[in-house]
Amino acid sequence: KAGVTQTPRYLIKTRGQQVTLSCSPISGHRSVSWYQQTPGQGLQFLFEYFSETQRNKGNFPGRFSGRQFSNSRSEMNVSTLELGDSALYLCASSLEVVSSGANVLTFGAGSRLTVL
Amino acid sequence: SQKIEQNSEALNIQEGKTATLTCNYTNYSPAYLQWYRQDPGRGPVFLLLIRENEKEKRKERLKVTFDTTLKQSLFHITASQPADSATYLCALSTGGGNKLTFGTGTQLKVEL
Repeated sequence: KAGVTQTPRYLIKTRGQQVTLSCSPISGHRSVSWYQQTPGQGLQFLFEYFSETQRNKGNFPGRFSGRQFSNSRSEMNVSTLELGDSALYLCASSLEVVSSGANVLTFGAGSRLTVL
Repeated sequence: SQKIEQNSEALNIQEGKTATLTCNYTNYSPAYLQWYRQDPGRGPVFLLLIRENEKEKRKERLKVTFDTTLKQSLFHITASQPADSATYLCALSTGGGNKLTFGTGTQLKVEL
């Protein structure tokens, strides 16, 4: 069974540009979450989508946005890139079988974004 | 604010010994706590989940304890091997759905 697929794996952008990252969850998983990982802040929650609706949102500025399609694939977008946006962006999917907090996340390998 | 701290940034132990990692949290009463392993350049991988009414959970050489009074979880790896070297993260559900808040992580290095 295929895992969580994230594209692109690596990308370099310059300040002020925008970027779109893509995530294909495990087949049958309807929940997709996005996290930002940096050496200084660790893993930080960005947002979660379930059945095309944003269910949770972290404390990130409005420049960070996302969406989920009917096939559960998800994209996240960062506009007006800043140097501090350089990070590993991780997508995770989950099969919703039990109550909140008890669902296991399966992560992709991440998209490493470098902003110059 | 919710805070999840893991005992140290790095832990070095000898092969064959038991590694003990600590996860402390404040300002929250989670019903579940999860542990993940992350290797360099890869996403975290789920290891174990423990419920608030479970004192201990085991899986092969791994053992997790959960003390809701102390607000602490301990993660043990017995008979450690160099292949266990990785960063270990604890995570709590902190707001509906599948939102998890992760700890700062502990980088474990098992030496020969």
